[in-house]
Amino acid sequence: NAGVTQTPKFQVLKTGQSMTLQCAQDMNHEYMSWYRQDPGMGLRLIHYSVGAGITDQGEVPNGYNVSRSTTEDFPLRLLSAAPSQTSVYFCASRRVLQETQYFGPGTRLLVL
Amino acid sequence: AQSVAQPEDQVNVAEGNPLTVKCTYSVSGNPYLFWYVQYPNRGLQFLLKYITGDNLVKGSYGFEAEFNKSQTSFHLKKPSALVSDSALYFCAVRDHNTDKLIFGTGTRLQVFP
Repeated sequence: NAGVTQTPKFQVLKTGQSMTLQCAQDMNHEYMSWYRQDPGMGLRLIHYSVGAGITDQGEVPNGYNVSRSTTEDFPLRLLSAAPSQTSVYFCASRRVLQETQYFGPGTRLLVL
Repeated sequence: AQSVAQPEDQVNVAEGNPLTVKCTYSVSGNPYLFWYVQYPNRGLQFLLKYITGDNLVKGSYGFEAEFNKSQTSFHLKKPSALVSDSALYFCAVRDHNTDKLIFGTGTRLQVFP
C-alpha cells in the first residue's frame, strides 16, 4: 500500500491564482481530512469527509473548497490564493470506526 | 469544547536520559487521546493512543504515555532518549461530538549527544 499520497510536494503561487492540492489513499478509508500547519498553531482542520459525496467544514474552511467523488481521492482547491494561505498542508485518512489517522507527507505552499 | 494543551514549546534532554513531553486535555466524557510525531519535512506518524484500559500505554519506538484522569494529563515518556528522537511531537484528542481530531500546538524535542 502506498498509504496517503499528496501532490505536489511544493508549490509557489501568486496572489489570486488558483490551484488544486491532490490527496489520494489506497486503504479504502471512509474518513479523509485536510489540515494546515502553521508555526505555533499546531494543525488546524480545514475540511473533512466521511465518505464519497459527503463533505463538511472544519475549523478554518474559508478560501478552500473540497469535493469527494470517490473513496480514494479528496482534492483541496484554492480558488484565489492569498498570502495568508502560505502554509504546509496535510491530508489524512482513517476508517470511520478506527481511531488511528494516517497522514500524507504534506504539500508546502508559498503564496506571494 | 474539547481541547489539548502542550505547555512547552521545546524540551531539551541529553541522550540516555529519560524524557517527558507534557499534554493536558479538556473534554466532556471519556477522552480518546493520541500522540503523533513529525520528523523534519515529513508527515505526522502515529505513536500511541489511549481509548480505555490501562493508564500506561505503550507505543512505537519505545515511547509510552501515562493517562492521569485526576490531573487530566497524558504525558509522553521514554526511559532513555536517543538523538534520533529529536522531532516535533503533537498531542491530540478526539472530539466525540464531531468525530474530529483536535491537535495541540506541538512540542519540539531536542536530544543532545
